[in-house]
Amino acid sequence: DADVTQTPRNRITKTGKRIMLECSQTKGHDRMYWYRQDPGLGLRLIYYSFDVKDINKGEISDGYSVSRQAQAKFSLSLESAIPNQTALYFCATSDTRDSRSYNEQFFGPGTRLTVL
Amino acid sequence: EDKVVQSPLSLVVHEGDTVTLNCSYEVTNFRSLLWYKQEKKAPTFLFMLTSSGIEKKSGRLSSILDKKELFSILNITATQTGDSAVYLCAVPSLLDNYGQNFVFGPGTRLSVLP
Repeated sequence: DADVTQTPRNRITKTGKRIMLECSQTKGHDRMYWYRQDPGLGLRLIYYSFDVKDINKGEISDGYSVSRQAQAKFSLSLESAIPNQTALYFCATSDTRDSRSYNEQFFGPGTRLTVL
Repeated sequence: EDKVVQSPLSLVVHEGDTVTLNCSYEVTNFRSLLWYKQEKKAPTFLFMLTSSGIEKKSGRLSSILDKKELFSILNITATQTGDSAVYLCAVPSLLDNYGQNFVFGPGTRLSVLP
């Protein structure tokens, strides 16, 4: 079983619709992240969370919101989707309590979102 | 502003060739540099480098860091078609006293032709 899962894997929606992307992890990690990936731009951080009830904006948070419902769950919402939010979205986790993996992130499989 | 730059952005080679991918960075409070391989799915971890001049090696892949000149290279020898992927370089960047972000470069898209 995958340690970091994302749902849905693919989604096509229309401008103005509200969309939620879900991320779950079984690794017991404290930190969770949402990135979007666009061709030629690498991964850019949208939001991150250090633990439940701790939410922080990343580089490109406008137009997005998040919720950390539990240590294992971190969801990303697009309140009113627009076409330039078409991208590949990745959830990732890291564990700052384990010195061996402190600097390593583990990625989910990604969600390909298309906004028409 | 912390930044990671990779070159080339795209590379096409034939099987058996050796390739060198470059990553340069500007980041305050440097601690490490990471290389990932991304095929048609999530990035997978390759190497983490923290010290200058110490080569990390895994099979045909190797990587080294130069903290003075602020760059790292990833070498792949005797390339195979399965090496075709986007190779990402990332550097943790402090967000606050105890948090960190990961700043990613744009990636190098490597295509290995048979």
